[in-house]
Amino acid sequence: GESVGLHLPTLSVQEGDNSIINCAYSNSASDYFIWYKQESGKGPQFIIDIRSNMDKRQGQRVTVLLNKTVKHLSLQIAATQPGDSAVYFCAERADYGGSQGNLIFGKGTKLSVKP
Amino acid sequence: DAGVIQSPRHEVTEMGQEVTLRCKPISGHNSLFWYRQTMMRGLELLIYFNNNVPIDDSGMPEDRFSAKMPNASFSTLKIQPSEPRDSAVYFCASSFLAGGYNEQFFGPGTRLTVL
Repeated sequence: GESVGLHLPTLSVQEGDNSIINCAYSNSASDYFIWYKQESGKGPQFIIDIRSNMDKRQGQRVTVLLNKTVKHLSLQIAATQPGDSAVYFCAERADYGGSQGNLIFGKGTKLSVKP
Repeated sequence: DAGVIQSPRHEVTEMGQEVTLRCKPISGHNSLFWYRQTMMRGLELLIYFNNNVPIDDSGMPEDRFSAKMPNASFSTLKIQPSEPRDSAVYFCASSFLAGGYNEQFFGPGTRLTVL
């Protein structure tokens, strides 16, 4: 799920298929991760989160998997729908010290769902 | 709750003019974040406040940018003087930091164009 410059990685899937969006995070000390969805012209919206003491968390049609060994995060969307078309960002919290709350965002992956 | 409110939604100004962006966080949240999003650099954290106090402003590009949070329900981001390279979408987000999860809720953004 990383990108350089102007080009976002793009994932194109057929409606009804499952989607998997990947993200490599940078800090092994990160203890909390979030996936956001951003539709065109809108702000990022929370999808699902996971703490570092877990390796899997499920929501409605979405599952997040965390592999701390290789610092990898993935978002699985079941039965992808046209409304899922958006840019998806992973974010990590690398410094939690009571008053700290900074999230570091990845560059994003564009999901395109073909009807 | 109305969510995070930002104004204006769109701003077009000329180089050298002062620009003020406004944000009303979600009631009860104790942290507020200002981000800038561009195609080239993605989503960048500019500054964040906890209990109205600036905690980290290392992302503020230069002295032309300033942010204030006079109370728990209002924050401003000011650019003076503005330059064409400041053109971007500026997001405000708020969160309740108290341990564990700290999902950030984003506003709709202000699209700034500096001519």
